[in-house]
Amino acid sequence: QKEVEQNSGPLSVPEGAIASLNCTYSDRGSQSFFWYRQYSGKSPELIMFIYSNGDKEDGRFTAQLNKASQYVSLLIRDSQPSDSATYLCAVNAGNNRKLIWGLGTSLAVNP
Amino acid sequence: KAGVTQTPRYLIKTRGQQVTLSCSPISGHRSVSWYQQTPGQGLQFLFEYFSETQRNKGNFPGRFSGRQFSNSRSEMNVSTLELGDSALYLCASSSLAGTDYGYTFGSGTRLTVV
Repeated sequence: QKEVEQNSGPLSVPEGAIASLNCTYSDRGSQSFFWYRQYSGKSPELIMFIYSNGDKEDGRFTAQLNKASQYVSLLIRDSQPSDSATYLCAVNAGNNRKLIWGLGTSLAVNP
Repeated sequence: KAGVTQTPRYLIKTRGQQVTLSCSPISGHRSVSWYQQTPGQGLQFLFEYFSETQRNKGNFPGRFSGRQFSNSRSEMNVSTLELGDSALYLCASSSLAGTDYGYTFGSGTRLTVV
């Protein structure tokens, strides 16, 4: 089992819809969870981080964390074509608390 | 405020050669982490430096090494290059050590080994 798993996609949603991206992780001791966005040919950019169970909202983005079920999700409301990118989930894990990355979910928002 | 600066942006090297990549973090940031990104493996952690000390290291062979200078600039060296070392190498900086805080990534160095 991979330590951090994401559906590779592509996830295709119409403009204005809600995009839901999911990530599961294997280390129950993980404490910090991050979502990065990476446009094609660019470097990752931090968009959300969450440490506690529940929801955290920032503009059109909401991160949801459920430690009991070991998943973290990202909701993008009112999706725009400019949201089309690969979304990377990262989790700190292990005794040495290295950041472990999923392979990313490709999101396409269609006008 | 200047971001994370990585040089060079692109490199083409021959198998067996060595290469040095440079990273200048955001002013005031003392933590620098290096990652290798490939389509099949995604982002793989190489090492983290904080105040000139290596705090953490990934599972890469000893051909991969790094260092950090007193001004927080960091270099990464790969010796005896192999074809499989072709990748995007990303540097990330943070104001604090560890992985509890978000990174700011540089634009990366695209290394091609032929």
